[in-house]
Amino acid sequence: QSALTQPASVTGSPGQSTTISCSGTSSDIGSYHYVSWYQQQPGKAPKLMIYDVSKRPSGVSNRFSGSKSGNTASLTISGLQAEDEADYYCSSYTSSSTLVFGGGTKLTVL
Amino acid sequence: QVQLQESGPGLVKPSQTLSLTCTVSGGSISSGVNYWNWIRQHPGKGLEWIGYIYSSGSTYYNPSLKSRVSISLDTSENQFSLRLSSVTAADTAVYYCAKDLTYSLRGFDPWGQGTLVTVSS
Repeated sequence: QSALTQPASVTGSPGQSTTISCSGTSSDIGSYHYVSWYQQQPGKAPKLMIYDVSKRPSGVSNRFSGSKSGNTASLTISGLQAEDEADYYCSSYTSSSTLVFGGGTKLTVL
Repeated sequence: QVQLQESGPGLVKPSQTLSLTCTVSGGSISSGVNYWNWIRQHPGKGLEWIGYIYSSGSTYYNPSLKSRVSISLDTSENQFSLRLSSVTAADTAVYYCAKDLTYSLRGFDPWGQGTLVTVSS
């Protein structure tokens, strides 16, 4: 199972919105509503930001939203803040009943 | 609330077996619909799902690691463990344990803090 495809880096300005894409196939993102997004700060464990494509766990800011179209999922962060600077990973359930992650995207807030 | 903590040797020799334990606090490891996972992250790289054990004891592994991986439950200690055999330098990584938030492989929360395992002679 190949990794999902994410851009290596994205840049945004404080207060603006940015979107991170996650491209998969009909064997993962395209067939299941089980896409998750994680935020990872340096030296820390990943933190779940979005699950089931667009649901937010308790305590996660509503500035974070998720969506899916075909084989591609997206994470949108609105009202960018300096604290949002981190690595972001997507993941998806697959037709093999396993989990595949994306390669990660480094978000820089300038 | 549930918290997880990994423990185990930080250094393992090539060809030996890596063994890690995840201690769960704030909830019973054997109750309810719970999936307990191991995930690893190679230095400076992305995440790789290793496998899970269900609260009843059934397991499911990443096919790429299946021949070398074993995950088990210790309900008396409220722990679950990872064993990875015949390790090489390619198994050097930070290893995390995590619980599925809702159902199998639909989102991991919470996570342990992670533990770095280096494979070297």
